[in-house]
Amino acid sequence: GAVVSQHPSWVICKSGTSVKIECRSLDFQATTMFWYRQFPKQSLMLMATSNEGSKATYEQGVEKDKFLINHASLTLSTLTVTSAHPEDSSFYICSARPGATDNQPQHFGDGTRLSIL
Amino acid sequence: QQQVKQSPQSLIVQKGGISIINCAYENTAFDYFPWYQQFPGKGPALLIAIRPDVSEKKEGRFTISFNKSAKQFSLHIMDSQPGDSATYFCAARHSGNTPLVFGKGTRLSVIA
Repeated sequence: GAVVSQHPSWVICKSGTSVKIECRSLDFQATTMFWYRQFPKQSLMLMATSNEGSKATYEQGVEKDKFLINHASLTLSTLTVTSAHPEDSSFYICSARPGATDNQPQHFGDGTRLSIL
Repeated sequence: QQQVKQSPQSLIVQKGGISIINCAYENTAFDYFPWYQQFPGKGPALLIAIRPDVSEKKEGRFTISFNKSAKQFSLHIMDSQPGDSATYFCAARHSGNTPLVFGKGTRLSVIA
């Protein structure tokens, strides 16, 4: 079945550094990928929609300069948390759907746990 | 404004029992309703999904019941097992290349 791979799975870094998270669709092409954020014991909150070859669409309240998204190919989207601070610590999950039709399910990566010291 | 309301927040079920989780939505443009299972430290995994043209869908021990007029749908887990202990999320989206909107989740514990 469709697989979405995220890397790294866990990252710990100092406050002020930038962290890049990769999301790959391994066996399908995805014109659109979605980035979610999840706090402990809470639901998934959509951060942005990543479109291949164009600018990402950010949800209200999400700082586009803070969370840089690049979708350079049909199988890769990256999320860069710039100048990360402790409040950015969270579980980041990407998702993708094969093709652009309505009949395809949305698949999720295994997430990246980001801890900012 | 929460677009998909999920209940209960947590659920404890005896092994072999039936687990029932309910969701309600407001947006009548929604036309796809999946359920996801999430284990700690992992991403959500698709369990089963339904579209509004059917009232029920069954896959193994998992059944979705859908009530279009009431704008509600539910997940039933038959013969619940300890391995089913996880957080379950209902979700919805409307047509087009749109993202899923999630409920707040239900933490299921199946005890022996």
